[in-house]
Amino acid sequence: KQEVTQIPAALSVPEGENLVLNCSFTDSAIYNLQWFRQDPGKGLTSLLLIQSSQREQTSGRLNASLDKSSGRSTLYIAASQPGDSATYLCAVTGTASKLTFGTGTRLQVTL
Amino acid sequence: NAGVTQTPKFQVLKTGQSMTLQCAQDMNHNSMYWYRQDPGMGLRLIYYSASEGTTDKGEVPNGYNVSRLNKREFSLRLESAAPSQTSVYFCASSADRGYNEQYFGPGTRLTVT
Repeated sequence: KQEVTQIPAALSVPEGENLVLNCSFTDSAIYNLQWFRQDPGKGLTSLLLIQSSQREQTSGRLNASLDKSSGRSTLYIAASQPGDSATYLCAVTGTASKLTFGTGTRLQVTL
Repeated sequence: NAGVTQTPKFQVLKTGQSMTLQCAQDMNHNSMYWYRQDPGMGLRLIYYSASEGTTDKGEVPNGYNVSRLNKREFSLRLESAAPSQTSVYFCASSADRGYNEQYFGPGTRLTVT
């Protein structure tokens, strides 16, 4: 059974700092990995999708990498801003096309 | 372009009552999904519909039924609500099953007393 772990569970950084969020998964037989952002009381917003054949994807200040063989992904956020404060979720699509989510990292960017 | 919409946003039910959560997407996606989100559990798949006319069970289907009414709409029904079904419910869609980016609705916060 696929398990997705996100460390740390919570993170607080000062504005302007670069930061890395980690995601690990137990079964490397995945089709893709997706990073989401969730604001309190809101739905999920897709940030980046990395196909299993790709190593990384970039969108603005966000860069996500994927090392399928080691079961790891990282989300790099450059020059963090208070507006980046949210919970970040990673999810992998595995066998039977099932999406398995991690429990998220709650990020707070302080002034 | 509204994306994925869900109604209602909030609902309080008494144990044993029934209700239907509605979901619609306007992106011409083939696949649709229902998830529930509970503290410390992450999101878990309840049911999905790979294409119009098909539905399949996910990880936690007990106590729920679904209907793929047409390509746009996918509803989730609770026949006899239980306190264990208190949760936030999210509908999502993707172009095809599994291989494409999933887009989520804003969620329905359900409380069963």
